Amino acid sequence: EVHLVESGGGLVQSGGSLRLSCAASGFTFSDYWMHWVRQAPGKGLVWVSRIKMDGSGIIYADSVKGRLTISRDNAKNMLYAQINSLRAEDTAVYYCARGDFHYMDVWGKGTTVTVSS
Amino acid sequence: EIVLTQSPGTLSLSPGERATLSCRASQSVSSRYLAWYQQKAGQAPRLLLYGTSSRATGIPDRFSGSGSGTDFTLTISRLEPEDFAVYYCQHYADASSPVYTFGQGTKLEIK
Repeated sequence: EVHLVESGGGLVQSGGSLRLSCAASGFTFSDYWMHWVRQAPGKGLVWVSRIKMDGSGIIYADSVKGRLTISRDNAKNMLYAQINSLRAEDTAVYYCARGDFHYMDVWGKGTTVTVSS
Repeated sequence: EIVLTQSPGTLSLSPGERATLSCRASQSVSSRYLAWYQQKAGQAPRLLLYGTSSRATGIPDRFSGSGSGTDFTLTISRLEPEDFAVYYCQHYADASSPVYTFGQGTKLEIK
């Protein structure tokens, strides 16, 4: 069965850093684009970043550009997001999602990031 | 920037009824890159349709999509109790910023 499990979220002070992880199983991880999408409490979905199968093709939303670094380890079936200089507006559930370059077909349950000011 | 506007914000219907959800783009977009997702309360989103009308794996055929240009529609032919959720449209455009855009969502609630 296809699974994505995020971890690494938590409560962090404004200006702090977190490293989010996403463990993939049940499919050939290296065959898929991967994305991070976030959802602030009570709000809609916002795409954050994506990475191509071989680690190229990286792009970021303007809201996180320069502060978030996406990466993947195909040998470990892992996706990562290093987020620095966290702000209150980064508070959200962060989902990792598998997909093609234009859609996301499998989503994890998410990890919650709370930034306190 | 491409903005996707979904309507209505909330749709109140009964099981067995037909639901029609709209997604309007601020400029003409490629139908190849228009997707729909369902999100139930407390759960992750689930892909329903991609390429405007292609159903994702395991999605029942009561879900269908149509549209082109700026106007896209998700239709649920006969509502089941498990269909009551929030629905989002999403578009990809590599020449745009942001590259991936979601609509604000339509909440489909039981009447």
